[in-house]
Amino acid sequence: AQSVTQLGSHVSVSEGALVLLRCNYSSSVPPYLFWYVQYPNQGLQLLLKYTSAATLVKGINGFEAEFKKSETSFHLTKPSAHMSDAAEYFCAVTSGGATNKLIFGTGTLLAVQP
Amino acid sequence: DGGITQSPKYLFRKEGQNVTLSCEQNLNHDAMYWYRQDPGQGLRLIYYSQIVNDFQKGDIAEGYSVSREKKESFPLTVTSAQKNPTAFYLCASRTGVGTEAFFGQGTRLTVV
Repeated sequence: AQSVTQLGSHVSVSEGALVLLRCNYSSSVPPYLFWYVQYPNQGLQLLLKYTSAATLVKGINGFEAEFKKSETSFHLTKPSAHMSDAAEYFCAVTSGGATNKLIFGTGTLLAVQP
Repeated sequence: DGGITQSPKYLFRKEGQNVTLSCEQNLNHDAMYWYRQDPGQGLRLIYYSQIVNDFQKGDIAEGYSVSREKKESFPLTVTSAQKNPTAFYLCASRTGVGTEAFFGQGTRLTVV
């Protein structure tokens, strides 16, 4: 079975500081991994995705993530936080298997302090 | 514009009533999903469908029902058997294996 674990349900950073949101996955087959962002009372928007083409993935709004198979991790980073980055972030995993389910982590709420 | 439309955005239900949440997509996606979101619990899968006239239970299907009579539509019924239905419900769709999901704007259901 596949799963994702997001360490830290709440993360607070200062504006201009590095953002690091952690995601570890469990999968018995090569995974496809995703990061989504959610603003209050809205749906989820895709930030970036890993589909085995490259281990360092660049996404929208200056975010990037690195796939590390040896650590089963896919952490999300941004060099300099902006106030508009305050939102909830979800990591998700799926496989190429027949069930085709997309499994989400419990989310990390990012606060950006001025 | 292509996308996923969920309606209504807010829904109030009396205890003991069934209520149906609408989800329509014009992205020509085969797979569609329903998730429930509660604070601190992330997104939990209720039901999913990979093709018309076929659907499977997710992790928390009890008290819910779905249908998939058309490719574009995947309505979710919250029945009176669902003991704690107050939540934010999200519908999503995907083209196929390994692809990202596209989400609707959600429906917030409140039991009064």
